[in-house]
Amino acid sequence: QKEVEQNSGPLSVPEGAIASLNCTYSDRGSQSFFWYRQYSGKSPELIMFIYSNGDKEDGRFTAQLNKASQYVSLLIRDSQPSDSATYLCAVNLNFNKFYFGSGTKLNVKP
Amino acid sequence: GAGVSQSPSNKVTEKGKDVELRCDPISGHTALYWYRQSLGQGLEFLIYFQGNSAPDKSGLPSDRFSAERTGGSVSTLTIQRTQQEDSAVYLCASSSNTGETQYFGPGTRLLVL
Repeated sequence: QKEVEQNSGPLSVPEGAIASLNCTYSDRGSQSFFWYRQYSGKSPELIMFIYSNGDKEDGRFTAQLNKASQYVSLLIRDSQPSDSATYLCAVNLNFNKFYFGSGTKLNVKP
Repeated sequence: GAGVSQSPSNKVTEKGKDVELRCDPISGHTALYWYRQSLGQGLEFLIYFQGNSAPDKSGLPSDRFSAERTGGSVSTLTIQRTQQEDSAVYLCASSSNTGETQYFGPGTRLLVL
């Protein structure tokens, strides 16, 4: 079992819609959770991080964490074609290791 | 520096040769991480440093891989006797401390012929 699981996609949404990206993790001791965006041929860039259960909003992005269900998600409101990228979920365990999922590819169609 | 830098940006080498990849983290960042990303795949953790120490080397694929960090700053990842399966993008990231947000460099694209 992988430490972090993501649906590889691609997830296709029309411009202006809400994109919902999901991630599950296996270790209940995980401390913090991150979403990175990676454009093709580029390195990952941080979008959001979340430590506590519930929702965290930043502009068009909302991260949701449910530790009981070991589930973290990223919602992108009013999706734009420029949001088309691969989204990587990362989980930090014991402040030592970061485990990354394999990423979900998002396509936002104009 | 303003961000994480890595060199070279691209490296083509012949099978069996040694290569050295360099990472210069954000100034003041004590934690430094190395990852490998094969085409279309996620990030594979290799090793991390806290200061000059590497508490966790479990991700290194084989004894051909080694890494060091000096002066709490620059790190080098060395791959000896390269194999074709070593071809990948090698990404370095740094953070202000372990567990904090990581900031990635542009990566080194390694191709072993």
